Amino acid sequence: KQEVTQIPAALSVPEGENLVLNCSFTDSAIYNLQWFRQDPGKGLTSLLLIQSSQREQTSGRLNASLDKSSGRSTLYIAASQPGDSATYLCASSGNTPLVFGKGTRLSVIA
Amino acid sequence: GAGVSQTPSNKVTEKGKYVELRCDPISGHTALYWYRQSLGQGPEFLIYFQGTGAADDSGLPNDRFFAVRPEGSVSTLKIQRTERGDSAMYLCASSLDNEQFFGPGTRLTVL
Repeated sequence: KQEVTQIPAALSVPEGENLVLNCSFTDSAIYNLQWFRQDPGKGLTSLLLIQSSQREQTSGRLNASLDKSSGRSTLYIAASQPGDSATYLCASSGNTPLVFGKGTRLSVIA
Repeated sequence: GAGVSQTPSNKVTEKGKYVELRCDPISGHTALYWYRQSLGQGPEFLIYFQGTGAADDSGLPNDRFFAVRPEGSVSTLKIQRTERGDSAMYLCASSLDNEQFFGPGTRLTVL
């Protein structure tokens, strides 16, 4: 059974810092790895999708990498802003729907 | 175009009552998923539809939970004899290929 772990559970950084969020998964036989953002009390916003044949995806200040052999993905956020404050969730999909980690709660302090 | 929509946004009910939660997927998306999220946790899979049929309902916690998608578009999640432990955010997602797009969720509170 796939298990997804996210470290750290919470992170607080000053505005302008670059930061890395970590995601690990136990079963490397995944189809995709998807990163989401969730604001308090809201639904999930898809940030990046990395297909199993890909190593990374980039969107603006965000870059996500995938290393299936080691069971890891990272989300890199460059030049963080207070508006980036949210919970970031990673999720893997194999031949079943998404399996989520518990998320990393990010606070960017102005 | 319109994203995934869910109604109601909030639902407060009493223990033992029946509730229905609705999901309108993105037009043309063939796959539809229901997840449940408790406070401080990631979403957990409940059921997945491909077209009109439930392709995987292994995440439904017990037989009080049921979902339908009769015309392959809108889906309704039905919960009978609600319990306080059913209180959570219920999220719906739809997809055409690999990427899932989520709705704003329905916050269910069972008193």
